Amino acid sequence: GQNIDQPTEMTATEGAIVQINCTYQTSGFNGLFWYQQHAGEAPTFLSYNVLDGLEEKGRFSSFLSRSKGYSYLLLKELQMKDSASYLCALMDSNYQLIWGAGTKLIIKP
Amino acid sequence: SQTIHQWPATLVQPVGSPLSLECTVEGTSNPNLYWYRQAAGRGLQLLFYSVGIGQISSEVPQNLSASRPQDRQFILSSKKLLLSDSGFYLCAWSVLAGTGANVLTFGAGSRLTVL
Repeated sequence: GQNIDQPTEMTATEGAIVQINCTYQTSGFNGLFWYQQHAGEAPTFLSYNVLDGLEEKGRFSSFLSRSKGYSYLLLKELQMKDSASYLCALMDSNYQLIWGAGTKLIIKP
Repeated sequence: SQTIHQWPATLVQPVGSPLSLECTVEGTSNPNLYWYRQAAGRGLQLLFYSVGIGQISSEVPQNLSASRPQDRQFILSSKKLLLSDSGFYLCAWSVLAGTGANVLTFGAGSRLTVL
């Protein structure tokens, strides 16, 4: 079967760095996505990893290790507007997305 | 540029009443279209997806149905709502079928409360 785990909630300080982890188990893998979702709004795409390694996009980076079934989203220079839920999603062998429950990130001044 | 419209944004319906949520996409042709439901504290649940007009795949057996009468129109319906149908419904589209970077773009969502 398929399974995705990510922490329910994390707290960080404005200006700091935070790493949100995502672990998964799957028999087929076609990539891993990260989405950001502000409260009451729709998710928006952040990053996609299909090969091992780090993908950097400005203040946000995403890492993937396929052998370990592990990914993380790294957010640098945190801003108050980064307070949101971060959703990890696995693309399976049928190119369908399996979603984690999301990590609610709280940024404190 | 591509845009996705979803309505209504919020609705409160009594148990047993019908439902119709509509989604349209502009600026692209033959998109893949999706209906998701999001319950508090849980991951997005895929309800239906469509790769073309009249082609609907259902992921979860329930009292909901979907239709795609036009290329860029996707409708979620129910004849009789249940309390358990309450949730945040999201329409989404993508254009790359069967390839890795199948990025979804979501509509603004419809929050349904069934009383």
